[in-house]
Amino acid sequence: DVKVTQSSRYLVKRTGEKVFLECVQDMDHENMFWYRQDPGLGLRLIYFSYDVKMKEKGDIPEGYSVSREKKERFSLILESASTNQTSMYLCASSRADRDTEAFFGQGTRLTVV
Amino acid sequence: QKEVEQNSGPLSVPEGAIASLNCTYSDRVSQSFFWYRQYSGKSPELIMSIYSNGDKEDGRFTAQLNKASQYVSLLIRDSQPSDSATYLCAGADTGRRALTFGSGTRLQVQP
Repeated sequence: DVKVTQSSRYLVKRTGEKVFLECVQDMDHENMFWYRQDPGLGLRLIYFSYDVKMKEKGDIPEGYSVSREKKERFSLILESASTNQTSMYLCASSRADRDTEAFFGQGTRLTVV
Repeated sequence: QKEVEQNSGPLSVPEGAIASLNCTYSDRVSQSFFWYRQYSGKSPELIMSIYSNGDKEDGRFTAQLNKASQYVSLLIRDSQPSDSATYLCAGADTGRRALTFGSGTRLQVQP
């Protein structure tokens, strides 16, 4: 079974803090993704990576950055957390093929106060 | 138009009935589609994928793709209360290696 593991299930951070969300996958997938999910808005793509040290902006990259130093690990960084970044964050991975399904981690519920 | 559109629901069906979930998509999304089920507070899990025009069946689930109408659907036969969840339709983006998701349809199966 594909396993995508996110480092935290719940996080509470203060406004202005730098926040790191970690994601690890064990299926040797080339592609990794960070989405956020908000009620009524569905899943929105923040950033994705198709190779080590490679990254591409998704639809809502503002206020975020990412790091992929190893194939199995993809980190999302909130440079200076704000209350509008309170959300469910979902990491996913997939094979290199373009038309392939993504497998999700359990999600991190981040609250910024 | 959004790339992938779904009716948010809730769609309410009695136990044992057929639930029909629908999704439309724009040209930006390619011809490969996926249905995910998401229980409240949980992450999405893949239940069906469909790549070509027509129907694809897997147990109680049938996915249907109509490329001419840019329409994809999911039928759930013999619906059970445990099927109550939000169902997300996703399409592969033609310009990048990422799935584009609809906002999801909430299904309620009444015992």
